[in-house]
Amino acid sequence: GAVVSQHPSWVICKSGTSVKIECRSLDFQATTMFWYRQFPKQSLMLMATSNEGSKATYEQGVEKDKFLINHASLTLSTLTVTSAHPEDSSFYICSASPGPEAFFGQGTRLTVV
Amino acid sequence: GESVGLHLPTLSVQEGDNSIINCAYSNSASDYFIWYKQESGKGPQFIIDIRSNMDKRQGQRVTVLLNKTVKHLSLQIAATQPGDSAVYFCAENAGTYKYIFGTGTRLKVLA
Repeated sequence: GAVVSQHPSWVICKSGTSVKIECRSLDFQATTMFWYRQFPKQSLMLMATSNEGSKATYEQGVEKDKFLINHASLTLSTLTVTSAHPEDSSFYICSASPGPEAFFGQGTRLTVV
Repeated sequence: GESVGLHLPTLSVQEGDNSIINCAYSNSASDYFIWYKQESGKGPQFIIDIRSNMDKRQGQRVTVLLNKTVKHLSLQIAATQPGDSAVYFCAENAGTYKYIFGTGTRLKVLA
């Protein structure tokens, strides 16, 4: 199957700082990528749709100024958590698709201290 | 709003037995569904998919059943192995490449 890679796998940051997470499609181009958030023992919640060359589309309740998304190329989308707070600590996962089936990155564990 | 939900948060099965994981979805217009397996600390992995014009699809040791009348999906795992222990999610297509995930079922395989 297609390969989607996320970086970093885990990150610890201080409260008030910003953190950038990268999502890359390694063997296909993706005009659209998706960012999910997952709290412990819970399901994946879609945060936003990343659109190459245009603004991201955010799901209801997700602060676009808090979670900045950039999709500058057909193989890279970035999610920046700005002014991170402990409540932003979570598992962030991206997905991309060469077809109907969605492939997921390995996830990024963010811990804000 | 639209949602996909699971009835059983945890399922424990004996090694070698068959497992059945269920999922209910609410959007009758959904035309594509995927089952994912997620191991601890990792992203979801594709297991099997099914389109709405089918009611059954088989893979290696896994079978997905779709009942559109009652908007129900199930994942059957034959001869469950310890390596099958994980959380399983059903996902419903909600637009181009966009998915809504169910709440998840944790499968525990007992030796």
